[in-house]
Amino acid sequence: NAGVTQTPKFRVLKTGQSMTLLCAQDMNHEYMYWYRQDPGMGLRLIHYSVGEGTTAKGEVPDGYNVSRLKKQNFLLGLESAAPSQTSVYFCASSPYLAGGEETQYFGPGTRLLVL
Amino acid sequence: QKEVEQDPGPLSVPEGAIVSLNCTYSNSAFQYFMWYRQYSRKGPELLMYTYSSGNKEDGRFTAQVDKSSKYISLFIRDSQPSDSATYLCAMSITGGYQKVTFGIGTKLQVIP
Repeated sequence: NAGVTQTPKFRVLKTGQSMTLLCAQDMNHEYMYWYRQDPGMGLRLIHYSVGEGTTAKGEVPDGYNVSRLKKQNFLLGLESAAPSQTSVYFCASSPYLAGGEETQYFGPGTRLLVL
Repeated sequence: QKEVEQDPGPLSVPEGAIVSLNCTYSNSAFQYFMWYRQYSRKGPELLMYTYSSGNKEDGRFTAQVDKSSKYISLFIRDSQPSDSATYLCAMSITGGYQKVTFGIGTKLQVIP
């Protein structure tokens, strides 16, 4: 199993450009998440999905859109990048386990620099 | 005030030392408590998971939760250079879909 993979690993954008970050998981997990991690701020939830075809806003959704057309993939889009979106982006997934320890499994991250 | 407070460190200890990492929180509704370890330029990985109050031990790692004080701890015994990483505390209110609130992480360096 590859677990959670993210593409690309690193990207530089100019202000106003758009891009899509791809997350894929091969663990058949129901839930998927997009976080951003900034110094002194910790991990903050951008958007999440509780199943194929569903998405919901997290703590910091402005400027981002997501789609989950297939269970294994969760896409994060930036329509018009801003320097404030410079960050490290992590995708995570977790299974639904009634009464169990529902661990979130994280990908390796995408480093985004917006100039 | 943040919901979860964690000292960012860095914390430097000699190899073999006992390490104590801590978080405080303000939301008494939190019931699930986690510790994640994050190596440099990697994603976080779950280290310990505890429900409600009490202790949980896994090898050299012990997690403690004191809900009355809203305080959680992670102890690392016989620390190793390979333990050098950032440790994130995390907590959530319910199971099922998890809205998890993370601390900012404490950077630990174990010196050989």
